[in-house]
Amino acid sequence: DAKTTQPTSMDCAEGRAANLPCNHSTISGNEYVYWYRQIHSQGPQYIIHGLKNNETNEMASLIITEDRKSSTLILPHATLRDTAVYYCIADNAGNMLTFGGGTRLMVKP
Amino acid sequence: NAGVMQNPRHLVRRRGQEARLRCSPMKGHSHVYWYRQLPEEGLKFMVYLQKENIIDESGMPKERFSAEFPKEGPSILRIQQVVRGDSAAYFCASATSGRAGKDTQYFGPGTRLTVL
Repeated sequence: DAKTTQPTSMDCAEGRAANLPCNHSTISGNEYVYWYRQIHSQGPQYIIHGLKNNETNEMASLIITEDRKSSTLILPHATLRDTAVYYCIADNAGNMLTFGGGTRLMVKP
Repeated sequence: NAGVMQNPRHLVRRRGQEARLRCSPMKGHSHVYWYRQLPEEGLKFMVYLQKENIIDESGMPKERFSAEFPKEGPSILRIQQVVRGDSAAYFCASATSGRAGKDTQYFGPGTRLTVL
């Protein structure tokens, strides 16, 4: 899996969009970008994934740059319940997910 | 459709005892993954299994740890002669298949093992 780099922590005001960046400059052509989050000590929760095109689902949007060296996860209207550690993972093996340190997002009232 | 189930949710063992952690994948999922999360650290892959087969155990400690996923029943992660350093949260994930990008791993709530 390609190495990913994320900021250690971020704050976001409740109701505003949370934009979480991820660098994956060594990503290969067949590696997908996955986002998971872990709320407190719960099991990781799948959010979204993509290869080249931007993706959107009921939870979030994923914007991948044209050169695929970075991406941004967007939570359009952050709530207090979105406070969590967010993990960006570049995966091609389908066998294991390599979790880095993630970004600790704090949504504040 | 029930999600991934793990039990027990909390397990306390004394040093030298055995720990058995169970994982029932989501319905229709035949691929199971185990991860370990040490206190204040990220999740680390341990082992990947399909029914009756170990596909990748590159993350498993060489001794005391074993995993199985029998034809019937849950996947079992077994830790023999536990030591204090085994205290961690153990998460199981399941997927329909192992194809990157075509499938997604869904995680269970975890088993928190405490070794006294």
